[in-house]
Amino acid sequence: GAGVSQSPSNKVTEKGKDVELRCDPISGHTALYWYRQSLGQGLEFLIYFQGNSAPDKSGLPSDRFSAERTGGSVSTLTIQRTQQEDSAVYLCASSSPRDFPYEQYFGPGTRLTVT
Amino acid sequence: DQQVKQNSPSLSVQEGRISILNCDYTNSMFDYFLWYKKYPAEGPTFLISISSIKDKNEDGRFTVFLNKSAKHLSLHIVPSQPGDSAVYFCAGITGTASKLTFGTGTRLQVTL
Repeated sequence: GAGVSQSPSNKVTEKGKDVELRCDPISGHTALYWYRQSLGQGLEFLIYFQGNSAPDKSGLPSDRFSAERTGGSVSTLTIQRTQQEDSAVYLCASSSPRDFPYEQYFGPGTRLTVT
Repeated sequence: DQQVKQNSPSLSVQEGRISILNCDYTNSMFDYFLWYKKYPAEGPTFLISISSIKDKNEDGRFTVFLNKSAKHLSLHIVPSQPGDSAVYFCAGITGTASKLTFGTGTRLQVTL
């Protein structure tokens, strides 16, 4: 079946502009996660959605970052007034509580470059 | 505060030999540890996991060992194959569905 998809695959933007990154999770997966990988760094958790519960936003680095998940499916990560330090690969993952052991399925990522 | 650490950024191993990738953690609350493999321009893919109450889990050529007293785990790949060349991430998770806390990764190169 279809995996997690993300768009765009690459995004170049000027400092100060807003960007939106999209994630389509695997159908039926109730949990959705956003991570980012900066150059030379590990994957850093950003935000987590589980069903209709309030999202865990504990990883968002600043109030310029926000995310929403509409209808329990597609998610959009928005970065306002982008800065050069926002340059990274943004990865989305989804999971199902029926999967063991809590495996998360990742999309290919969106490479964001802020110039 | 880096809760999961992979102190070796890279490792080179000959084809057919054993690859050992190491990971240390500080968070005693992790319920599971997972290894993910990542090829360039792709998202990470799940490889193998281990419960915090186990000390070993084996799946084909891949075995993960957990030493809770030392807060250390390792991934063994035997025999190593050229297709295993990738970046390997160790991660811990708390609870049934929650965020993964990743290490910085180890780049494995399997040479002919």
